[in-house]
Parts: sequence; structure tokens; C-alpha cells
Amino acid sequence: TQLLEQSPQFLSIQEGENLTVYCNSSSVFSSLQWYRQEPGEGPVLLVTVVTGGEVKKLKRLTFQFGDARKDSSLHITAAQPGDTGLYLCAGAKAGTASKLTFGTGTRLQVTL
Amino acid sequence: DTGVSQDPRHKITKRGQNVTFRCDPISEHNRLYWYRQTLGQGPEFLTYFQNEAQLEKSRLLSDRFSAERPKGSFSTLEIQRTEQGDSAMYLCASRSGEGDNEQFFGPGTRLTVL
Repeated sequence: TQLLEQSPQFLSIQEGENLTVYCNSSSVFSSLQWYRQEPGEGPVLLVTVVTGGEVKKLKRLTFQFGDARKDSSLHITAAQPGDTGLYLCAGAKAGTASKLTFGTGTRLQVTL
Repeated sequence: DTGVSQDPRHKITKRGQNVTFRCDPISEHNRLYWYRQTLGQGPEFLTYFQNEAQLEKSRLLSDRFSAERPKGSFSTLEIQRTEQGDSAMYLCASRSGEGDNEQFFGPGTRLTVL
């Protein structure tokens, strides 16, 4: 049973479009990370959010943690082909030694 | 490069053989994690070390799997009598004992069991 559900699972868009990826759970997390993974490589950390309602921006990427710390979103503005990859959200619960529970992943393809 | 490293990057083995993977964490990171990722899925937690102590193991880690971190630095993950269902990417991550629970992943070892 996947505790973190991501939507959409697949997204194919053209360069310049905006998109939002959602990460939802019925569980509360003490922190939530977003990673991007290229084929055959390990996940690369993009951001960590820890406070309910927190918004973090990383260039064209905007991350939001839900007020109740059960959900998160990733918004990409003016997508570029270099944004192509698998986006994973991962949550850590208090008292669990920070082991991560990963979402199902969103595979993004940005074409010219 | 001071990131997490894993060796080998790829391993092909026949069913029934034993395999061992190595992970070198970021230096001075005292916490080390192993995850397994199958095709089309997010990584799943396998086990966790704080220094040399293995503090938690997932029920995914059958008795054919064993992990060690003998000196609190590098770690090894051994799979005995491999099965086709063991085919996956095995990922190692490390973190310091402080901060926002940020884990940094290695490039992974892709295991294929024929």
C-alpha cells in the first residue's frame, strides 16, 4: 500500500508550458522532500519542506507543503526539456529515524 | 566527488547466486539507508544504520538479505540465493544526524537476476 499518491503519473507537455504535480496522503509527515530521478541514476534532492503551509521556490520550481502536512505540490513554470525526468515526493514521519516513504512518482516529458 | 558512491553500478547474475553491493556514504554522515526500487515504482525502505548499528529492517528484507556497516562508514548489502524477483535498483542514501531529514542518494546498483 502506497502511503503517498502522486498525480498525474505521466505528463507530456511542450516547452514553455506550466504544470503542477500533486503528492497526497492521509498521513501527517514531519518533513517532505521532492526528488528528481534520471533513468539509471539515483534520486537527486530538490527541496525539503518542514512547516505546514510552507512555500519554497527554486528558480522556476515552486514547492508547497499543505497546512496539515499531509500533502504537497510542485509547480513548474515555463517547462524546459531539461526538466524531463521522474519526480518523486518522499515523506518522513516523526520518530521513524527519518526513513522515507516515497510516492508513486510522476514521469514528466518536456518536448521542444 | 564527495557524494554517496555505490559499487557496482550494474550486476547481472544467475538465479541462486549470491551478490554483494557496497555503499560509501558522504563522509561524516552517521546515518545510512538502503532502499529498493522496482521499475515504475518509487523506492521502498529496506534498512537503516546509525553508525555501525542496524536499527531498523523492513519486512521486505527477507532472511536472504543481510546488511552490515562494520566500522560505521561504508556499508554492504548481500543477497543470498538470488531470485528473479530480486531484480531491482538498490539505492543507498546517507544523512547527517541533524537538519531537515535530508537524505542524499547514490547512483544505485542495478541488479538483474536471470
